[in-house]
Amino acid sequence: SQTIHQWPATLVQPVGSPLSLECTVEGTSNPNLYWYRQAAGRGLQLLFYSVGIGQISSEVPQNLSASRPQDRQFILSSKKLLLSDSGFYLCAWSVTRTSGPPGEQFFGPGTRLTVL
Amino acid sequence: SQQGEEDPQALSIQEGENATMNCSYKTSINNLQWYRQNSGRGLVHLILIRSNEREKHSGRLRVTLDTSKKSSSLLITASRAADTASYFCATDEKTSGSRLTFGEGTQLTVNP
Repeated sequence: SQTIHQWPATLVQPVGSPLSLECTVEGTSNPNLYWYRQAAGRGLQLLFYSVGIGQISSEVPQNLSASRPQDRQFILSSKKLLLSDSGFYLCAWSVTRTSGPPGEQFFGPGTRLTVL
Repeated sequence: SQQGEEDPQALSIQEGENATMNCSYKTSINNLQWYRQNSGRGLVHLILIRSNEREKHSGRLRVTLDTSKKSSSLLITASRAADTASYFCATDEKTSGSRLTFGEGTQLTVNP
């Protein structure tokens, strides 16, 4: 069966420090991968998605970047964190479809990031 | 406003009652999905309804879709305290490729 891992679960970082959040998927090949951010009590904002190794689409201009060095690994990074980067970060995957609309997404447990 | 907006923002009911949440969207879609999120956790997929479907059931869940009104509803029957969570609709616009757009969610509280 497929599983998705995210770590760390909680992170407290000072303003200006770097960030690296990792997401890995097991039990599937060539998944679509997604990074979302969720502010408290709000919906999900799509940050990045990837349909293959080295293929990253950015949804909003921001202080963050993403990379997909391996098929089932998705990394969210920042060189210098801002206060506004605080939030709940969720990684998700979905089955790659050669045609037709996207199906369901499977979410990781999330990382709570607090920037002080 | 965003694609996929739920209302109400918050709903509080007693165990055993039914809970209805609504979602509106703006553009043509392929599918509409509903997800559940327990506090501080990841989202869990509940149900997907295609644009050519009008109603779908899964256990105590009933989802309707009205493409002419660009709206969907999620009904949870005979609610339980364990149904307490946030519920989100998500749409995939016909031009969005692999992306979903999530609404702001409805916070449901079921009181025992």
